[in-house]
Amino acid sequence: LAKTTQPISMDSYEGQEVNITCSHNNIATNDYITWYQQFPSQGPRFIIQGYKTKVTNEVASLFIPADRKSSTLSLPRVSLSDTAVYYCLVGVYLLGGYNKLIFGAGTRLAVHP
Amino acid sequence: DAGVIQSPRHEVTEMGQEVTLRCKPISGHNSLFWYRQTMMRGLELLIYFNNNVPIDDSGMPEDRFSAKMPNASFSTLKIQPSEPRDSAVYFCASSPRLAGANTQYFGPGTRLTVL
Repeated sequence: LAKTTQPISMDSYEGQEVNITCSHNNIATNDYITWYQQFPSQGPRFIIQGYKTKVTNEVASLFIPADRKSSTLSLPRVSLSDTAVYYCLVGVYLLGGYNKLIFGAGTRLAVHP
Repeated sequence: DAGVIQSPRHEVTEMGQEVTLRCKPISGHNSLFWYRQTMMRGLELLIYFNNNVPIDDSGMPEDRFSAKMPNASFSTLKIQPSEPRDSAVYFCASSPRLAGANTQYFGPGTRLTVL
C-alpha cells in the first residue's frame, strides 16, 4: 500500500508560486499520482494527474522525478481563492482493474493578501 | 453536464431513525463511490460500485450501513438505525472508467447530523 506524506499546512501570499511536495516511497509500477483540491463545504476536485516527468494543465504543474518516490504540485501565482486543502493520492491498483484512491490528511494551504 | 447530484444537502435526524442519502452520478460514468468525511478520520471510502455492482464494501463501518445502485443513474446509502457518531459529510463520486488512472468527480455532499 503506497502511503503518502505531505506537509500538514502551508502559508503563502498572493502572486507567489506555491510548491507542495508529497512523498510516496512505496509507489507501485502501476500507480499514478493524483492531486485533488477541496474547498470548505465542497467535495474534492481533481486538479492534475501524472505518471512520470512533468505534467502541466491550466491549473497547475506536477513534477515527478525519475524514481517516482515523490512528486511536487506547483501552483503558479496563487490568489486568495486557492486557499484550500490539497490531497496527494496514489492509487492502489487491485486485481480486476480497481484503482482505489486513499485520501490522507492533505495540506492546508492558506493564501494571504 | 450537471455534475454529480446529491440529496438532501443537509439532514438532521434523531438517533435511531433511518437515514437515506441519494446520489445521481454523471451520465455515462460506470463507477460510483460513497465517501464519508469527518474531522477526526478525514475522507474515507465506504463502498464502490462498478456497472451497478458493489465491488468493494470493506469501508462500510458496520451492518447499519447499506448501499444500493438499482440502475446506472441512481444510488442510495442508508443508515438504519442512525447514531450520533454517524454525523459527517457524505460524498458521492463517479468515474468514467474503472481501470487505470481514474478520475473521480465528487458531488457537493450531504451533511448529516444525528442528534
